[in-house]
Amino acid sequence: GQQVMQIPQYQHVQEGEDFTTYCNSSTTLSNIQWYKQRPGGHPVFLIQLVKSGEVKKQKRLTFQFGEAKKNSSLHITATQTTDVGTYFCAGKAGGYNKLIFGAGTRLAVHP
Amino acid sequence: NAGVTQTPKFQVLKTGQSMTLQCAQDMNHNSMYWYRQDPGMGLRLIYYSASEGTTDKGEVPNGYNVSRLNKREFSLRLESAAPSQTSVYFCASSTSVPNSGNTIYFGEGSWLTVV
Repeated sequence: GQQVMQIPQYQHVQEGEDFTTYCNSSTTLSNIQWYKQRPGGHPVFLIQLVKSGEVKKQKRLTFQFGEAKKNSSLHITATQTTDVGTYFCAGKAGGYNKLIFGAGTRLAVHP
Repeated sequence: NAGVTQTPKFQVLKTGQSMTLQCAQDMNHNSMYWYRQDPGMGLRLIYYSASEGTTDKGEVPNGYNVSRLNKREFSLRLESAAPSQTSVYFCASSTSVPNSGNTIYFGEGSWLTVV
């Protein structure tokens, strides 16, 4: 079945450093979504990517969707303590009527 | 604006007991979902309901049943709880089955411990 792998599982950075998490699918995705979950909270939608090679930015966050639509990345420039949380990618492949979530990358930011 | 509301927030069960997690959304969404979250496992789909009157199994349906009571409400039932069902459960909704990529809105979660 469809699998979505996410790496790294955990990363801690000093405030001001950059951070990247990667998402890889075993199958071609029709779209990919990214969510953020603060400690003790619930996942909150960040963005959706649909087109091959698409790049979207939200302030310090840059999201990319691979040309083959099988991988994606989230890059945070100059992390802040407010970026702490777990970032999930979620992909939907053709024929599957449900999103499959990656295991998430937990980000810790040290001031 | 409540969004997705689920109850209870915390529950401790003994092995073999049954319970129902309740979920309601006020966004007029067609689709509703139940996920469980375990450390290092991400979010795994238990069941979903693409529209009122329909339900489908997700990745990990064993040990659970669901009822789409109406458009607003989608409940999850554990008939005979097992320690392996200790987890955080999230109810969620979206405007349609996410093959069109619609955003999923999550409830605040229900922490369930089975002893």
